[in-house]
Amino acid sequence: GNSVTQMEGPVTLSEEAFLTINCTYTATGYPSLFWYVQYPGEGLQLLLKATKADDKGSNKGFEATYRKETTSFHLEKGSVQVSDSAVYFCALSEGYSTLTFGKGTMLLVSP
Amino acid sequence: DAGITQSPRHKVTETGTPVTLRCHQTENHRYMYWYRQDPGHGLRLIHYSYGVKDTDKGEVSDGYSVSRSKTEDFLLTLESATSSQTSVYFCAISVQGGGRGDTGELFFGEGSRLTVL
Repeated sequence: GNSVTQMEGPVTLSEEAFLTINCTYTATGYPSLFWYVQYPGEGLQLLLKATKADDKGSNKGFEATYRKETTSFHLEKGSVQVSDSAVYFCALSEGYSTLTFGKGTMLLVSP
Repeated sequence: DAGITQSPRHKVTETGTPVTLRCHQTENHRYMYWYRQDPGHGLRLIHYSYGVKDTDKGEVSDGYSVSRSKTEDFLLTLESATSSQTSVYFCAISVQGGGRGDTGELFFGEGSRLTVL
């Protein structure tokens, strides 16, 4: 079956530091890959996505590249802000919108 | 904003009692989903619906039932709540139609926090 593995948190950074959150996946076919973000007390919202190999998704300074050869979709941001503090979920879908999520990584950014 | 409303937002109940959570959408989307979120597990799919009276099981469906008698409402029922069902429940909709070509962008409600004592 499908699965998503992401690094455990919390990840604690100072403002303006570089962020990487690792995500690897197992899938039977050719999935679409996603990063969702959950701010405190809210539901999840889509941060970025990539639908085929070598695609790069980007949004709000975050980016991730679909690497089929390493089955990875690592999230990066060059300079984090306090407002980026949230829980980040990597996910995959092979259609029909039935997403498989990773366990989530909490990011804490201090001023 | 995809117009998703969940109710109740918070509920405390006792073991063995029935509980129904409601998800209401205002935009006539066909596919709707119920997930539960637990520490260390991320989000797991309970049930989903692909139309009125059309539902299917997800990864963790035991102990849950769903109904969809109208496009706009998707109900999740715990017939006899247990402490293991203490969780945060999220409703989601697919805005792309949910079919095979759907690339999986979901819009989520704000969640319903259920505590079973």
